[in-house]
Amino acid sequence: GAVVSQHPSRVICKSGTSVKIECRSLDFQATTMFWYRQFPKQSLMLMATSNEGSKATYEQGVEKDKFLINHASLTLSTLTVTSAHPEDSSFYICSARGAQGSGNTIYFGEGSWLTVV
Amino acid sequence: GEDVEQSLFLSVREGDSSVINCTYTDSSSTYLYWYKQEPGAGLQLLTYIFSNMDMKQDQRLTVLLNKKDKHLSLRIADTQTGDSAIYFCADLSGAGSYQLTFGKGTKLSVIP
Repeated sequence: GAVVSQHPSRVICKSGTSVKIECRSLDFQATTMFWYRQFPKQSLMLMATSNEGSKATYEQGVEKDKFLINHASLTLSTLTVTSAHPEDSSFYICSARGAQGSGNTIYFGEGSWLTVV
Repeated sequence: GEDVEQSLFLSVREGDSSVINCTYTDSSSTYLYWYKQEPGAGLQLLTYIFSNMDMKQDQRLTVLLNKKDKHLSLRIADTQTGDSAIYFCADLSGAGSYQLTFGKGTKLSVIP
């Protein structure tokens, strides 16, 4: 079946630095990708929706200048956490939706653990 | 906004059937999904059902949808210890945004 790959799966960065997380759809073209954040023992919180070639739409309360999302191709979206702080430590998960006709199936990446020290 | 509710915990004995329930409020749902999340991992799509269906079976998994009551359930037959995980119910709105609304997840514990 379709696979969405995230990289890196775990990353530790120093406070004040930036870190980039990649989300790739491996065997289908993802017209829309979503970025979620998950706090321990909680559900997923949608951060933003990105459509290929256009600016991401951010959910209320999510700082667009801090969480930069780029969806430059139909198979790749990136999330860059800029000037990371310890409170940004979390599990970030992307998901991807194929083009019309693929059954509205939405697949998730394996997630990326970010620890800011 | 729309809401999806699930019970937080379920404990069953190995070999028994598990039934995880979910209710949602979105009247324009088109698809409803069940995802499985093992510790430290991403979400694995288990199955989904289109809103005009009332049942879908896939090997050990049976999904029942009562659209009138906005109630969705996932039945796992012959539950195994490997089924221990958190199960998320998610609703895809028909509003064209393709955003999923998730429940908080049900932690299934399988007792050997």
